[in-house]
Amino acid sequence: QPVLTQSSSASASLGSSVKLTCTLSSGRVSYIIAWHQQESGKAPRYLMKVEGSGSYNKGSGVPDRFSGSSSGADRYLTISNLQSEDEADYYCETWDSNIAVFGGGTQLTVL
Amino acid sequence: EVQLLESGGDLVQPGGSLRLSCAASGFTFSSYAMSWVRQAPGKGLEWVSHISGSGSYTYYADSIKARFTISRDNSKNTLYLQMNSLRDEDTAVYYCAKDRPATHWGQGTLVTVSS
Repeated sequence: QPVLTQSSSASASLGSSVKLTCTLSSGRVSYIIAWHQQESGKAPRYLMKVEGSGSYNKGSGVPDRFSGSSSGADRYLTISNLQSEDEADYYCETWDSNIAVFGGGTQLTVL
Repeated sequence: EVQLLESGGDLVQPGGSLRLSCAASGFTFSSYAMSWVRQAPGKGLEWVSHISGSGSYTYYADSIKARFTISRDNSKNTLYLQMNSLRDEDTAVYYCAKDRPATHWGQGTLVTVSS
């Protein structure tokens, strides 16, 4: 089954931009992934799906500041004009042969 | 508006059983696969199981296979997870999620396995 690799932590300043990465394991560069946000003590929230082509499809109510992109086996989540409420854990998810896999998550700190 | 409401979490002794429920509303329940995902304290998300819209197909993570059973009642718009032979390591918040990948999440229900 696929493996999704994420950096354990990231940080960026208020008002700046940050790009989080989710890397698919070998041989799965065409896979679609989803990004989820989880604020401390809350349930996850779906943000978007990102395809291998780089196109992305956001969930309802997700601010325009959030965007997705792709390069090879890497899937990206870019957050522009960082706000304090963006401080959260971010997880990527994919599916293969009816099995779901989550990345280990990136803890984003807004400085 | 899609709503998923889990219930059934509790404190249970090792070896015990528990059944979780997830009441769904705001969408055509039978048209969507549904999943259970759990999160141990301080840890990341772990997929547990999912079931097809009709209920005909079920899939499980190796860590819980043969101990947990996923099911659904499309007439009641409800998803279930029957958990048997519970272990300490099953302690987690259990979330139900709609579709694959998950596009909506419930608020979670806490299962604590401890003597």
